[in-house]
Amino acid sequence: EDKVVQSPLSLVVHEGDTVTLNCSYEVTNFRSLLWYKQEKKAPTFLFMLTSSGIEKKSGRLSSILDKKELFSILNITATQTGDSAVYLCAVSSYNTDKLIFGTGTRLQVFP
Amino acid sequence: EAQVTQNPRYLITVTGKKLTVTCSQNMNHEYMSWYRQDPGLGLRQIYYSMNVEVTDKGDVPEGYKVSRKEKRNFPLILESPSPNQTSLYFCASSFRPRQGGYEQYFGPGTRLTVT
Repeated sequence: EDKVVQSPLSLVVHEGDTVTLNCSYEVTNFRSLLWYKQEKKAPTFLFMLTSSGIEKKSGRLSSILDKKELFSILNITATQTGDSAVYLCAVSSYNTDKLIFGTGTRLQVFP
Repeated sequence: EAQVTQNPRYLITVTGKKLTVTCSQNMNHEYMSWYRQDPGLGLRQIYYSMNVEVTDKGDVPEGYKVSRKEKRNFPLILESPSPNQTSLYFCASSFRPRQGGYEQYFGPGTRLTVT
């Protein structure tokens, strides 16, 4: 059965800290891995990763995929209170058009 | 403005009373999907549609119906709601999966309570 596991479940840090969020997956015929940020509303898209070892970067956020070890990490440097959110990881497969989500990592950044 | 809209945003209803949650997108997306989000369980896909008149079950389709008569609309129908369908529902849309996958755009969510 396809599945996505995120860790940690929850993270509390101070502003300025760097955090690493993990996403491991098991999926048949992997197509892509996506990261979303969810504040008190709908998830918003961050990154889509399809190739191993190629870092995607947007400001203080970056992500990389390891297709051999079946995981991805999302890094946030110099965290700000506005980074507080639930970060969701999802994977898609060539076998199906479904998108499978992990349960998310809740990040709280305190001043 | 490109967006996915859902209505209603909040709904409290009673067991067994049929309801419909509407979803509409203005981005000419082929792919549309419904999710429910529950604490500890994350986002789970209910149904999805690759194009007009094409729908498929997701991971938790029981108790739900969908239709895709027009490209822009993808309503979610609960014929006989039950309390275990109390949840936060999201509609999402995207273009057809490309070589590398697809980015989904989410609606604002509908919080449904069934008493």
